[in-house]
Amino acid sequence: AQSVTQLGSHVSVSEGALVLLRCNYSSSVPPYLFWYVQYPNQGLQLLLKYTSAATLVKGINGFEAEFKKSETSFHLTKPSAHMSDAAEYFCAVTTNTDKLIFGTGTRLQVFP
Amino acid sequence: GAGVSQSPSNKVTEKGKDVELRCDPISGHTALYWYRQSLGQGLEFLIYFQGNSAPDKSGLPSDRFSAERTGGSVSTLTIQRTQQEDSAVYLCASSLGQGAGNTIYFGEGSWLTVV
Repeated sequence: AQSVTQLGSHVSVSEGALVLLRCNYSSSVPPYLFWYVQYPNQGLQLLLKYTSAATLVKGINGFEAEFKKSETSFHLTKPSAHMSDAAEYFCAVTTNTDKLIFGTGTRLQVFP
Repeated sequence: GAGVSQSPSNKVTEKGKDVELRCDPISGHTALYWYRQSLGQGLEFLIYFQGNSAPDKSGLPSDRFSAERTGGSVSTLTIQRTQQEDSAVYLCASSLGQGAGNTIYFGEGSWLTVV
């Protein structure tokens, strides 16, 4: 069975600083990996996804993630944080079905 | 509408009552999912419908929970004899259902509070 682990339930950064949200996956077969964002009182919105094409995936709002098989990681980064990036971020994995398995989420706070 | 629509957006119910939550997926999407989001519990998979196939019910937490999807479109999640631990946000999602890697689109959720 596949799973994802998000290290750090809360991450705080200053506006303009690098954002790094960590996600490690476990899967016995090649995975598909996703990052979703949830703004307060809203549903989940897809940021980006890895589907075995390029290992560096660019998403919306300046976010990107790199699939590293050797490290079983799919960390999310953004070079410069904005106040509007404050939200909860979820990493998710699937393999041969559409069913997504989510991590427990990381709440990002951005300070001025 | 263009997105996944859920109703009601908020529901307060008394312990022991039954509740029904409705989901209207994106038109043309054959796959439909229900997830539960509880404080501190992350996103928990409940049930998955794909076309005319038997649903994957492996995530339903007890036999008080059931879901149906009529005509391959609208879905209803029913919770019988609600308990306080059922309080959560219930998220519905849909996708084109063409295999792994499809983008799954989420609704804004139904907030359920059991008092």
